[in-house]
Amino acid sequence: EAQVTQNPRYLITVTGKKLTVTCSQNMNHEYMSWYRQDPGLGLRQIYYSMNVEVTDKGDVPEGYKVSRKEKRNFPLILESPSPNQTSLYFCASSRPSTSSGANVLTFGAGSRLTVL
Amino acid sequence: QKEVEQNSGPLSVPEGAIASLNCTYSDRGSQSFFWYRQYSGKSPELIMFIYSNGDKEDGRFTAQLNKASQYVSLLIRDSQPSDSATYLCAVKQAGTALIFGKGTTLSVSS
Repeated sequence: EAQVTQNPRYLITVTGKKLTVTCSQNMNHEYMSWYRQDPGLGLRQIYYSMNVEVTDKGDVPEGYKVSRKEKRNFPLILESPSPNQTSLYFCASSRPSTSSGANVLTFGAGSRLTVL
Repeated sequence: QKEVEQNSGPLSVPEGAIASLNCTYSDRGSQSFFWYRQYSGKSPELIMFIYSNGDKEDGRFTAQLNKASQYVSLLIRDSQPSDSATYLCAVKQAGTALIFGKGTTLSVSS
């Protein structure tokens, strides 16, 4: 089954304790992206990657890191989480913009993170 | 700052009615337009996308695009309680990331 898999789905942590949210897709998509979703603010892009070893900042990158060492994986790293990073996080992937069906994002199930 | 605007709602319609959801965007260079549906606590899922001016129909859903007026709409015919969700409009210009609106909450009462 074609899918984007995120882990963990739920996490409660404390301020300053480094954590990684993993994201993996099995569709051979070049493009991958992380979003956070907060009430009243909608989906906001954190980072995205056009391909392996190519990453770029989205609208709200502060406090986050990413890496793209393999095409299928795009982990989101919070080096020193703070309470304002409490949110619902989505990973998504798509084919590149030159192909048909371009930019149709497939989302993971989401990771609900609480930072105390 | 590129913007995508949606009325947050809630938009309430009775079962069987037509629900009309609207979205406006600020960037005239926008090329592709998407509607996603998101149930509470779940991930967004694509309903349909549209590239050209005019209407695109898929079952009970019709997307309408008017580039001159910079709006895109989604019509849901014969609305069902299962259509109750938040509908996200997303807009993309070539070479840039997809920009999402904040979504419109639709409530269909039986």
